[in-house]
Amino acid sequence: ETGVTQSPTHLIKTRGQQVTLRCSSQSGHNTVSWYQQALGQGPQFIFQYYREEENGRGNFPPRFSGLQFPNYSSELNVNALELDDSALYLCASSLEVAGGSGTDTQYFGPGTRLTVL
Amino acid sequence: AQSVTQLGSHVSVSEGALVLLRCNYSSSVPPYLFWYVQYPNQGLQLLLKYTTGATLVKGINGFEAEFKKSETSFHLTKPSAHMSDAAEYFCAVSGAGSYQLTFGKGTKLSVIP
Repeated sequence: ETGVTQSPTHLIKTRGQQVTLRCSSQSGHNTVSWYQQALGQGPQFIFQYYREEENGRGNFPPRFSGLQFPNYSSELNVNALELDDSALYLCASSLEVAGGSGTDTQYFGPGTRLTVL
Repeated sequence: AQSVTQLGSHVSVSEGALVLLRCNYSSSVPPYLFWYVQYPNQGLQLLLKYTTGATLVKGINGFEAEFKKSETSFHLTKPSAHMSDAAEYFCAVSGAGSYQLTFGKGTKLSVIP
């Protein structure tokens, strides 16, 4: 069984640029969630995709957007990067029924460390 | 709305001593509670979770946690700390119909030889 993988591992961008982060879900999982973990903080929920549609969103601006593909891999796109976007971005996959029950375990990838200069 | 408070950003214990990491939650719906561990430069690994049923939950690596509704707590314990337990621990809450995990700020556990 293959776990959740993310690419790239590290990324350095400058303010105003755009970035795309990628995630490959665990085999058999149909749902992916993205979290932002700033230094010294717990992860914060960005959004979740279930069967290729956004299933919920946290308190993040529209310049954070995502996609989920038929093979359940996913992308997180961030436009107009700001210094405060520097963080570890975590992807988590799970097997949800009918949009999620809240009890399903989310399995996390190792994350992408984004630095914005 | 849901929130999690983890008391103590840094806890140090001696090898072989009891580990106690505290977590209090606030939830407007019956909560589902999770503990995750994060080793340096790695993602989060699930230690244990409470959804319904028995309030004492056993997890991996000898950890357990007890859901106490009256105290709105879900503290994590381990009878005897090992050096390999040194990591950061996060408590998280979700609820029925809520797909979103809300995390605490984490507690860094150091184990002293």
